[in-house]
Amino acid sequence: QVQLQESGPGLVKSSQTLSLTCTVSGGSISSGGHFWSWIRQHPGKGLEWIGYIYYSGRTYYNPSLRSRLTISVDTSKNQFSLKLSSVTAADTAVYYCARAHGYGDYCFGFWGQGTLVTVSS
Amino acid sequence: QSALTQPASVSGSPGQSITISCTGTSSDVGGYNYVSWYQQHPDKAPKLVIYEVTNRPSGVPDRFSGSKSGDTASLTISGLQTEDEADYYCSSYSNSGMVFGGGTKLTVL
Repeated sequence: QVQLQESGPGLVKSSQTLSLTCTVSGGSISSGGHFWSWIRQHPGKGLEWIGYIYYSGRTYYNPSLRSRLTISVDTSKNQFSLKLSSVTAADTAVYYCARAHGYGDYCFGFWGQGTLVTVSS
Repeated sequence: QSALTQPASVSGSPGQSITISCTGTSSDVGGYNYVSWYQQHPDKAPKLVIYEVTNRPSGVPDRFSGSKSGDTASLTISGLQTEDEADYYCSSYSNSGMVFGGGTKLTVL
């Protein structure tokens, strides 16, 4: 069973870069066909798709975040990462990493537990 | 990329059935059979309960079912149980990536 675990600073200063890593266990990130995604949830609000990446490095980003966003994959460490630059208080959220349910699926079948990132001034 | 439209809340009694709607456009829900639904209990990660409009992942009870007509998808939960009380989100593949609904709070009275 694939498991995902987010890690990174819980507090980031405004205007700086938010960096998170998702470590995958129970399966290889290079197995192909699945996307690896980041999703966030503002406090008390709904879910927002951030973007996803395939093991090949091909990325797809939310248009509203594209200018500030980089998602990358490190197959040697079985990890993928998120970098969001020029953060503001509006980027305070619980950040989840997730994997597609199956090959070629466009849904999120496996989730990390989530990590709260607070942007402070 | 606009969020899909869901009712803010629905409620039902144990044993009853409820349906949650999810309305999009021809660029997302209406254009692709990649609608999925997620159940989220407080302070927990979301859990996939329906994918590709009608499919249930292994382990999800058959009380959960999905459907789609035009630009609107629906999640039906029959034989409501108290543990079904949660927030439910729809999601769809779209011309500009993935999009979520605003979420629906299900209360089991």
